[in-house]
Amino acid sequence: DQQVKQNSPSLSVQEGRISILNCDYTNSMFDYFLWYKKYPAEGPTFLISISSIKDKNEDGRFTVFLNKSAKHLSLHIVPSQPGDSAVYFCAASGLGGTSYGKLTFGQGTILTVHP
Amino acid sequence: EAEVAQSPRYKITEKSQAVAFWCDPISGHATLYWYRQILGQGPELLVQFQDESVVDDSQLPKDRFSAERLKGVDSTLKIQPAELGDSAMYLCASRGQTTGRVELFFGEGSRLTVL
Repeated sequence: DQQVKQNSPSLSVQEGRISILNCDYTNSMFDYFLWYKKYPAEGPTFLISISSIKDKNEDGRFTVFLNKSAKHLSLHIVPSQPGDSAVYFCAASGLGGTSYGKLTFGQGTILTVHP
Repeated sequence: EAEVAQSPRYKITEKSQAVAFWCDPISGHATLYWYRQILGQGPELLVQFQDESVVDDSQLPKDRFSAERLKGVDSTLKIQPAELGDSAMYLCASRGQTTGRVELFFGEGSRLTVL
């Protein structure tokens, strides 16, 4: 049972345009959501996060949107740059008890930004 | 910038051999995680430590995998005997104690190939 799903294995975008990566979750106990970026042969790097009490969080070119009722979140990258080409993982965690800090990851989406 | 250190970066072994991975978390981070990432999938939690104590090892295949964090600082993950299906990236991560934030910081990983 996959609790965090990224249904698009890959996304191709032109430089300067918007990249939108999507993520769905099924566990209503998740309270905190994160996006990680991963280059080949490296560990994941934290990108941006959002708490369930918010519906939007912005950091520079990166914005994460959360729709709790739909159990859906998305990452927007504007404008996209070739250096953004990587695998993007969505992750979720509870904030209570033993679930605190225990991340459940999606399968990842490969983003390719063409010059 | 503080980093999570892992070694070795790459390990090639034959099945039935023993392998070990080492991790040194960011200084002061009491919580340490070992994740396994199979190619094309998201990272999956193997074991979580709080200081020297195991918090969660429910997904650790205990017949062949063991993990320890004897002094509550660095940690070792061992596989004995290795099987073909163990080929994966083994990721170590640590987390600080800031309340309400659950960002994990990952090392560069140890890539295991079992022949």
